[in-house]
Amino acid sequence: DTGVSQDPRHKITKRGQNVTFRCDPISEHNRLYWYRQTLGQGPEFLTYFQNEAQLEKSRLLSDRFSAERPKGSFSTLEIQRTEQGDSAMYLCASSLGRLGKNTGELFFGEGSRLTVL
Amino acid sequence: DQQVKQNSPSLSVQEGRISILNCDYTNSMFDYFLWYKKYPAEGPTFLISISSIKDKNEDGRFTVFLNKSAKHLSLHIVPSQPGDSAVYFCAALSNTGNQFYFGTGTSLTVIP
Repeated sequence: DTGVSQDPRHKITKRGQNVTFRCDPISEHNRLYWYRQTLGQGPEFLTYFQNEAQLEKSRLLSDRFSAERPKGSFSTLEIQRTEQGDSAMYLCASSLGRLGKNTGELFFGEGSRLTVL
Repeated sequence: DQQVKQNSPSLSVQEGRISILNCDYTNSMFDYFLWYKKYPAEGPTFLISISSIKDKNEDGRFTVFLNKSAKHLSLHIVPSQPGDSAVYFCAALSNTGNQFYFGTGTSLTVIP
């Protein structure tokens, strides 16, 4: 399978604990995105990388959140001191180059569901 | 600040009939629009797109219409099939070209 893969698929944690999610994009895709989806909402942009450079971050990405893509391949999203409001589906996506007509679409992984008790 | 809106959370349609899903946006700088389809426990998958230089794009049973003056787009599925039952998200590309803004989704149920 050469699609976007995410791990773990489900994570249940207690408030205050740290969690880390991993995303492996489609191998030739140089752009990687993190989105968050809560119940009844569409995906909300968190951040994106072009190769190893993190080029844009949303205001939703508080200082408890950190994302890395150290070698321009896989990425990790860490949430420190989790809060119940962090409970959501965290979606990773990748694209081959810039988004838009004649260029790249977003290819999503299956998501990592976080439940904070 | 919801820049892309889908005002119908759910829609039920009889198999074989037309499904029409609607989407409105507020940012006049958006120039590329897409529909994504999502099954439970899966990530969204790309369905169809349209550039702002067009007012219609068709792909098999799926057609997307864009009305720029009304800042409105719609997805038509005809004929609807039970396998089309899913959540459909409308998305618009930001003017920086670096992120999609998604609507809240419409859950379509096609009744056999």
